[in-house]
Amino acid sequence: GAGVSQSPSNKVTEKGKDVELRCDPISGHTALYWYRQRLGQGLEFLIYFQGNSAPDKSGLPSDRFSAERTGESVSTLTIQRTQQEDSAVYLCASSLRRDGYEQYFGPGTRLTVT
Amino acid sequence: AQKVTQAQTEISVVEKEDVTLDCVYETRDTTYYLFWYKQPPSGELVFLIRRNSFDEQNEISGRYSWNFQKSTSSFNFTITASQVVDSAVYFCALSVRPRGNKLVFGAGTILRVKS
Repeated sequence: GAGVSQSPSNKVTEKGKDVELRCDPISGHTALYWYRQRLGQGLEFLIYFQGNSAPDKSGLPSDRFSAERTGESVSTLTIQRTQQEDSAVYLCASSLRRDGYEQYFGPGTRLTVT
Repeated sequence: AQKVTQAQTEISVVEKEDVTLDCVYETRDTTYYLFWYKQPPSGELVFLIRRNSFDEQNEISGRYSWNFQKSTSSFNFTITASQVVDSAVYFCALSVRPRGNKLVFGAGTILRVKS
């Protein structure tokens, strides 16, 4: 079946512009996660959705970052007034439920802020 | 707080050698889950295995095996008879119930298998 998809695959933007990153989880997966991977580093948790609510936003690095999920499906991560340190691969994952279920990752969106 | 340590930054082996990737975790919770993911050069993370804290049985899947030891807080991963296609970055990760299942990742180990 279809896996997690993300769009765009690559995004180059100028410092100060806003960007939106999209994630389509696996159908039926109620939990959705956003992570960030800086070059050569491990993954950092950003935010977690259970259904359409976000019980854990503890990883969002600043108030320039926000995310929403609608219809228990698609999620959008928005970064306002992008900075060069926002350059990274943004990965989305989904799991059937929370609490110990394995997460399946999308291919990521590579964001470059110039 | 939860923490995962993968002390080996990079390992190089010759094809057909066995290799073990180390993972040490820290948590005060009694219910937790451990994972290994593979990130090949293409970049997409591939799920390999999940273990819960109450199941210390070792697992073998083909050339892959995992050794979970609570006494040493370790969850090591061994590849037997390595192949060039095993070259990737391998991540160990931890999630804790009921903290929403967010994964705490180690820094990753780069495995290079040379022919």
